[in-house]
Amino acid sequence: DTGVSQDPRHKITKRGQNVTFRCDPISEHNRLYWYRQTLGQGPEFLTYFQNEAQLEKSRLLSDRFSAERPKGSFSTLEIQRTEQGDSAMYLCASSQGGGAREAFFGQGTRLTVV
Amino acid sequence: QKEVEQNSGPLSVPEGAIASLNCTYSDRVSQSFFWYRQYSGKSPELIMSIYSNGDKEDGRFTAQLNKASQYVSLLIRDSQPSDSATYLCAVYFGNEKLTFGTGTRLTIIP
Repeated sequence: DTGVSQDPRHKITKRGQNVTFRCDPISEHNRLYWYRQTLGQGPEFLTYFQNEAQLEKSRLLSDRFSAERPKGSFSTLEIQRTEQGDSAMYLCASSQGGGAREAFFGQGTRLTVV
Repeated sequence: QKEVEQNSGPLSVPEGAIASLNCTYSDRVSQSFFWYRQYSGKSPELIMSIYSNGDKEDGRFTAQLNKASQYVSLLIRDSQPSDSATYLCAVYFGNEKLTFGTGTRLTIIP
C-alpha cells in the first residue's frame, strides 16, 4: 500500500532562489490538495486539483507560487524568488471522488529559507 | 469567512482518563467532519471521520457530531502517553475545500 509521497522531505534554500516540490498521490485518488503549515497553526489551504484541473487557489498563493498537475497524477508546487516568510511545512493530501471525502497526507516538505 | 475553531490548549489529562476535544464550525451546510492527529514535526494522520449526527466509535476514540449546534468533538478513552499530540479538526466547506482548525495540543500525564 503506497500512501501519498512527497519529495524532498527537507529543503534549505537561499532567499531569492526558486524551489520545486513534488507530490505523488495515492494512485486511485483524483483529488489533490496543497497546504502550508507554520508552527502552532493548522494547515492552511493553498490550492487543489480535480484530476488535472486546478479548481481553486487561495489568496495566500501569491504570484510567486504556481502548482501543476499535468496528467492528473503527480503534482508540483513551485515557489519563485523565495522569501524568509515562505519557510514552512508544505503538505500534500489526496482523496478519492468528487469531494467531502477522507483526505490522506504525505510526509510533508519542510522548507527553510535562509 | 468560513471557519473552524478549536481551543488551542494545551490540554493536560492524566493517563487512563478521558480526553475531550472540541471544535465548532461556521457553515451550517457542512456535511463531512474529520479528526487528525499530528505528532510534533510530522504530518497529520486521519483518525476519525463522521458524517451524521450522533456518536461514532472506533476503538478508544469516539467522535460526536451535533449539526444543529455546529459542534463536533473527539473523546479519547483510557488515555495513553502515546496520545500526546496535536489534534486537528477539519471540515469540508461546500464539499470542496477541507478547512482545518488551529489544533488542540494534548498532553497525557503518566
